[in-house]
Amino acid sequence: NAGVTQTPKFRILKIGQSMTLQCTQDMNHNYMYWYRQDPGMGLKLIYYSVGAGITDKGEVPNGYNVSRSTTEDFPLRLELAAPSQTSVYFCASSQSGTSEYEQYFGPGTRLTVT
Amino acid sequence: GQQLNQSPQSMFIQEGEDVSMNCTSSSIFNTWLWYKQDPGEGPVLLIALYKAGELTSNGRLTAQFGITRKDSFLNISASIPSDVGIYFCAGQGAGGTSYGKLTFGQGTILTVHP
Repeated sequence: NAGVTQTPKFRILKIGQSMTLQCTQDMNHNYMYWYRQDPGMGLKLIYYSVGAGITDKGEVPNGYNVSRSTTEDFPLRLELAAPSQTSVYFCASSQSGTSEYEQYFGPGTRLTVT
Repeated sequence: GQQLNQSPQSMFIQEGEDVSMNCTSSSIFNTWLWYKQDPGEGPVLLIALYKAGELTSNGRLTAQFGITRKDSFLNISASIPSDVGIYFCAGQGAGGTSYGKLTFGQGTILTVHP
C-alpha cells in the first residue's frame, strides 16, 4: 500500500494563476480531507468528502474548490492564486466507523504564490 | 468554533530526558489523538484515545484522555534524537455529526540535543 500520495511536492505560482493539487489514496477510505498548514497555526480544514460525489466546506474554504469523482481521488483546485494561499497543503483520509478519526496523511505539497 | 491550546509551544531538551506536553480546550471532546510530524513530512498518528481517563502507551510514548474530557497529555520517556519534530494534539468535539473531522492544536516543537 502506498497510502496517501500527493503531487506535486513543490510548486511556485504567480498571482492570478490556477493549479490543481492531486491526492490519491489506495486504502479504500470513504472519508477524505484537505488541510493547509501555516507556521505555528496547526492544521486548518479546507474541504472534506464523505464519499464519491459528496463534498463539503471546512473551516477555510474561500479560494478553493474540490471534486470527488472516485473513492481514490480528491483533487484541490486553486483559482486565481493569492499570496495568502502560500502554505503547505496536506491531504488525509480515514475510514468511516469506529476509527474514522484516525486520519492518514500524505507527504504534503509546499506552495508558494508570488 | 472549537479550539485546542497546546503547551508548551516549543521544548529544548537533552537526550535521555523525559518530555511532557498537554492540550486543553474550553469545551468537551469525545476523542483525542496525538500526531507527530517529521520535517518535510505529513503528520503520523501516534496514539488515539476514546474514553475519559484512558491511559494508552505506544513504546516510550504514553497519552492520557483527561477525566474532565477537556484535556489530554502526552509523555515521552528517555528521549532520543529521532523524537525531534512537531507534536500535534487533535480532537473530535462533542455533539453533532463529525464525519471524522478533527480540530488540531497549534503544535509543540521538540528539539533533542545529543
